[in-house]
Amino acid sequence: ETGVTQSPTHLIKTRGQQVTLRCSSQSGHNTVSWYQQALGQGPQFIFQYYREEENGRGNFPPRFSGLQFPNYSSELNVNALELDDSALYLCASSSGRQNTEAFFGQGTRLTVV
Amino acid sequence: AQTVTQSQPEMSVQEAETVTLSCTYDTSESDYYLFWYKQPPSRQMILVIRQEAYKQQNATENRFSVNFQKAAKSFSLKISDSQLGDAAMYFCAYRSGKNEKLTFGTGTRLTIIP
Repeated sequence: ETGVTQSPTHLIKTRGQQVTLRCSSQSGHNTVSWYQQALGQGPQFIFQYYREEENGRGNFPPRFSGLQFPNYSSELNVNALELDDSALYLCASSSGRQNTEAFFGQGTRLTVV
Repeated sequence: AQTVTQSQPEMSVQEAETVTLSCTYDTSESDYYLFWYKQPPSRQMILVIRQEAYKQQNATENRFSVNFQKAAKSFSLKISDSQLGDAAMYFCAYRSGKNEKLTFGTGTRLTIIP
């Protein structure tokens, strides 16, 4: 088990609604990355936060947004949910130093109906 | 843009035997890292092994080793003495030396036959 925790573990939302997913990073880590993993696929990079600033973004629309707090925990917000947003959302934290690994949480399974 | 390709959607191996999972990648960078992650049904991504591109020596972690062929852009994972607990999805991933974004392949589902 890593020190990265995500909540909730499962979530069902209706198309058009908004959702917030949460991630607590491992102690000592100041960088959080979010990934979307559709069924049967590898994770896709959404964005990364470093010391409360967005520090890189993948090919996701602006309705995917995030925050990082002073304690380095993070939120992923998705507005105007679509059926294709149904996926496992993974959070990974790292120390921000080169040559170090990222530690993943157990993910949040989001189902949009 | 970097890409990672895993051409084996599924593999199976007898318990105690050896299996090799394939991965190829494409990049124009010289500074990068390669990883193999394991994702069991619990969903959590677990790092199995990592390789720095500047190191010529292949990485080894107990029963897990890699065959890193930099010129061919190939990064295969060998699992020796396969155990039932090795059953999982295995993902190959690339990370540039410039940032911490991971680019994943589509994964290989490994089944261990008792």
